[in-house]
Amino acid sequence: GQQLNQSPQSMFIQEGEDVSMNCTSSSIFNTWLWYKQDPGEGPVLLIALYKAGELTSNGRLTAQFGITRKDSFLNISASIPSDVGIYFCAGMNYGGSQGNLIFGKGTKLSVKP
Amino acid sequence: DSGVTQTPKHLITATGQRVTLRCSPRSGDLSVYWYQQSLDQGLQFLIQYYNGEERAKGNILERFSAQQFPDLHSELNLSSLELGDSALYFCASSVERGFGYTFGSGTRLTVV
Repeated sequence: GQQLNQSPQSMFIQEGEDVSMNCTSSSIFNTWLWYKQDPGEGPVLLIALYKAGELTSNGRLTAQFGITRKDSFLNISASIPSDVGIYFCAGMNYGGSQGNLIFGKGTKLSVKP
Repeated sequence: DSGVTQTPKHLITATGQRVTLRCSPRSGDLSVYWYQQSLDQGLQFLIQYYNGEERAKGNILERFSAQQFPDLHSELNLSSLELGDSALYFCASSVERGFGYTFGSGTRLTVV
C-alpha cells in the first residue's frame, strides 16, 4: 500500500529558530495536508495543498506541494514554545473508492525557551 | 472545540470484551472516518462512511465493525478485544472528499 516517509522523526530546537520538515511518498497524491497534534487531542489541520507546485502560508507556517506530487514540505519560522507538538503530513487521492488520508508517522517538535 | 464529538474519552476494559465508540460529526459533514493511533503504527485508517453508506475500508480487523446512522452519527464496535487493541481511536468528518478532515479529541481505549 501507499506509504509516507516523514522526516525528521524528532527535532529539538531553540526558541526563535526556523524549522523544516518534509514528507515523501512512493506514489502520487492529489492533495497534501499538514496537521498538528497536541498531547491528548486530535490532529488539527494547519495547511491544505491541492495543486502541484502550490505554496501556501498560514501565519508563521509555510507549506509546499512538490512538483512531482510525491512530496511536501512544511516550514515554521521563528518558533515559539506553543509550536511544541507532533506534526503529521497526510496525502490523499480521491475518486472511486478512495478518499482516505494516508498519514506520515509524524515529526515530534520540542522547543527550548 | 472542533465540532466533532467523541464519547467516551477514556475506556478501560478487559480482554475478550466488546465496546462501542461513538462519534457525532461536525454539523453539515456527511463523511465520517475512523482512525486508530498507536505508538508504533501512527494514524491508521480503519473505515469511512458517507451519508450512511460504507465508502472505503482500510486496515480494519474483522473483529471491528462500524456503522453510520440516519442522523449521521457513527459507532465503531470493537469485539473480542486483545491487549494490542489498546490505542487512541479518532473519528474525523468532512463535508466531501478532497477536503481536509476535522478530527475529534479521540477515545483512549485501554485493554487490560
